Amino acid sequence: EIVLTQSPGTLSLSPGERATLSCRASQSVSSSYLAWYQQKPGQAPRLLIYGASSRATGIPDRFSGSGSGTDFTLTISRLEPEDFAVYYCQQYGSSPTFGQGTKVEIK
Amino acid sequence: EVQLVQSGAEVKKPGESLKISCKGSGYSFTSYWIGWVRQMPGKGLEWMGIIYPGDSDTRYSPSFQGQVTISADKSISTAYLQWSSLKASDTAMYYCARHVGLGWFDPWGQGTLVTVSS
Repeated sequence: EIVLTQSPGTLSLSPGERATLSCRASQSVSSSYLAWYQQKPGQAPRLLIYGASSRATGIPDRFSGSGSGTDFTLTISRLEPEDFAVYYCQQYGSSPTFGQGTKVEIK
Repeated sequence: EVQLVQSGAEVKKPGESLKISCKGSGYSFTSYWIGWVRQMPGKGLEWMGIIYPGDSDTRYSPSFQGQVTISADKSISTAYLQWSSLKASDTAMYYCARHVGLGWFDPWGQGTLVTVSS
């Protein structure tokens, strides 16, 4: 099973700042098989990024994904108030797994 | 609009059985895998398994194999997650989600909260 480790656990930032979230895999993941999700309190997760760098329908371009192999990054260029949430990475190989999540909170 | 609508919250006692549902609409239900994801209180997401409603091909996470049963009724575009004997540790929010493309999840159902308590 591929283990995904996200860092940091919590990111405290102000609106307008840049957020950089990391997702590290225990073994190489094909870039085509890495996704990012956003989850707000009391809501279901929402797909943000698939294939490591493709934005899902309706996702603002301040969200971007990058990376390959074992290191992937989600970047939010300028945080909006609605972006404060928990973010999960996921690999969807033969047995999908999720990272433990990064909480982006208001500083 | 593609939608997955899940059944309502459940409160059960240990040892009881339960079957929760996930109804798809707005797309060809038999052409996409449907997955189930567990989220325990205050915790992260855990992939449980998936089913292809077209032929009921089912795959389970090793962590959930034998603990739950995933099924589907394509005639009513509905997938199911069931337990034969609930434990307190099954208390969680359960989400269904459609597998798209190579296997990312989109969209997600609204979640079903299962509470198991004596």
